[in-house]
Amino acid sequence: AQSVTQLGSHVSVSEGALVLLRCNYSSSVPPYLFWYVQYPNQGLQLLLKYTSAATLVKGINGFEAEFKKSETSFHLTKPSAHMSDAAEYFCAVSDRYSSASKIIFGSGTRLSIRP
Amino acid sequence: DAGITQSPRYKITETGRQVTLMCHQTWSHSYMFWYRQDLGHGLRLIYYSAAADITDKGEVPDGYVVSRSKTENFPLTLESATRSQTSVYFCASSGAGRSGANVLTFGAGSRLTVL
Repeated sequence: AQSVTQLGSHVSVSEGALVLLRCNYSSSVPPYLFWYVQYPNQGLQLLLKYTSAATLVKGINGFEAEFKKSETSFHLTKPSAHMSDAAEYFCAVSDRYSSASKIIFGSGTRLSIRP
Repeated sequence: DAGITQSPRYKITETGRQVTLMCHQTWSHSYMFWYRQDLGHGLRLIYYSAAADITDKGEVPDGYVVSRSKTENFPLTLESATRSQTSVYFCASSGAGRSGANVLTFGAGSRLTVL
């Protein structure tokens, strides 16, 4: 069975500061890992995904995430927060032996940006 | 326009009434999904479909019915709405191929309130 835990339901940072959103996963087989972003009143859209190539994955809008197998983590970072980054972020896990129907989402982290 | 279209975007109904949420996609994606989003729970899969006339239950299927007579449409019906079904519902699709690496593309959501 797979699961994903997002640490912190709400994170607040100042504009220009580092953004760090934490995600830990559990999987008995090699995982695929995703970060999705949801802006207000919109559906989710893909930020980035890890599928066992490079462990450091770069996504859209300056975000990146690093797969750390030893720590079972896939934390999302951005060096300098922008006001437009305010949104809900979801970490998700699936695996190469399952279909897309088996993707599991975390409960989400709301990111607020202080001026 | 290309993409996933959900309708209605907002719906208020009463307990016991039947409600149908519509989902239409223009990519000819094989897989389609219905999720519900509730605070603290992230996204939970209700039903999914691997192709026309093939549907299967997700994590929380009770009280919902789906059909998929055409590849592009995947309506979700609440046969007798209950207050616990008040939620935001998202339709998503995924490209051909049985792969856990497939990215989900989401609609904008349908906000349902059951009084």
